[in-house]
Amino acid sequence: AQSVSQHNHHVILSEAASLELGCNYSYGGTVNLFWYVQYPGQHLQLLLKYFSGDPLVKGIKGFEAEFIKSKFSFNLRKPSVQWSDTAEYFCAVNALAYNTDKLIFGTGTRLQVFP
Amino acid sequence: GAVVSQHPSWVICKSGTSVKIECRSLDFQATTMFWYRQFPKQSLMLMATSNEGSKATYEQGVEKDKFLINHASLTLSTLTVTSAHPEDSSFYICSASSGGLNTDTQYFGPGTRLTVL
Repeated sequence: AQSVSQHNHHVILSEAASLELGCNYSYGGTVNLFWYVQYPGQHLQLLLKYFSGDPLVKGIKGFEAEFIKSKFSFNLRKPSVQWSDTAEYFCAVNALAYNTDKLIFGTGTRLQVFP
Repeated sequence: GAVVSQHPSWVICKSGTSVKIECRSLDFQATTMFWYRQFPKQSLMLMATSNEGSKATYEQGVEKDKFLINHASLTLSTLTVTSAHPEDSSFYICSASSGGLNTDTQYFGPGTRLTVL
């Protein structure tokens, strides 16, 4: 069965620090990959997605993610975080071979950024 | 664009009653809608997938008769929690997708917090 792992459960950073959140998935076939963000009290919003093409994907708010197929990873990065980036971040995977739009979510990473 | 709304945003009900939650895509036609459940400090767990005009597909372990899903139009899906019990208390989130299979993005609603007393 597909699964998605986010090993960083809680990350605490100071403003201007660099961020990298890990995401690994277990599925050997073709996948679509997503990062969603959930700000406190708000709904999930799409940060970025990878379907095909350039494995380095740029999203909103200065975030980017790199798909490394050989490592089954899709890590999220931001060179310099801001206090407003405090949120919960979810990685999600859609395995194309299952012929469905179903997303499998990771457990999420809570990011706290202090001024 | 791609706004999804849910109603109500929160609901408190007595044990044994039924609660209906609506999910609407406001500015696009949602061929597929998804219902998730999110426990505190945990991830989203997919409950079921519904396509307009057809029966929902439930995930393993989700009771079909307890969580009734209807997707009567391209902009509306409803989740009814029947005979609710305290263990059904949770945050229920819907999402909607408009595009072709495996090529589109899900847009999420703000969620509905259900508390069963």
